[in-house]
Amino acid sequence: EAGVAQSPRYKIIEKRQSVAFWCNPISGHATLYWYQQILGQGPKLLIQFQNNGVVDDSQLPKDRFSAERLKGVDSTLKIQPAKLEDSAVYLCASTTYRGLAGGSGELFFGEGSRLTVL
Amino acid sequence: ELKVEQNPLFLSMQEGKNYTIYCNYSTTSDRLYWYRQDPGKSLESLFVLLSNGAVKQEGRLMASLDTKARLSTLHITAAVHDLSATYFCAVDIILTGNQFYFGTGTSLTVIP
Repeated sequence: EAGVAQSPRYKIIEKRQSVAFWCNPISGHATLYWYQQILGQGPKLLIQFQNNGVVDDSQLPKDRFSAERLKGVDSTLKIQPAKLEDSAVYLCASTTYRGLAGGSGELFFGEGSRLTVL
Repeated sequence: ELKVEQNPLFLSMQEGKNYTIYCNYSTTSDRLYWYRQDPGKSLESLFVLLSNGAVKQEGRLMASLDTKARLSTLHITAAVHDLSATYFCAVDIILTGNQFYFGTGTSLTVIP
């Protein structure tokens, strides 16, 4: 079974530029998450999708970050304009709905996209 | 505000020794997860604890969950160098559905 795919793996940009990250979850996983992980810290939830609807985006800095999951499968996270403090690894994760019989709700993570803002 | 706290944050231990990592959380949750992260890598699932009193073991690691105390432990038995990594616990929130919040992480270094 294919895992969660993310691209690009690495991106270096200057502040005030824009960047976009792409995620393809595990097939059949209705719930998709974007996390931001700053070096030395735990992952911080940015946004959660259930199919193509937003469940929680309370910690997403909406003045500069946006995310979409138009067809309930792939998702894109965009940052515009980037700030120095946005340097981090952006992790995408997916899971089956926890209410499904036998569903553990376990998150499966992609390899992450490492962003450096200069 | 939900808090998920781990201690210790940093742990240096000798091979062959035992130790426990603690994960406390501040809201009701009946599911807790442990993940491992190697430097420069993504997160790998270790344990899924689905109910109060759950205990899971894999090799030298054993995880347990006490939902009444809002506490989970990750016990390391006879540590080996290969266990060196950062360990995260994560809780999901019952009421708001499938929202995972991660702890601060425990960076473990096992010294030969």
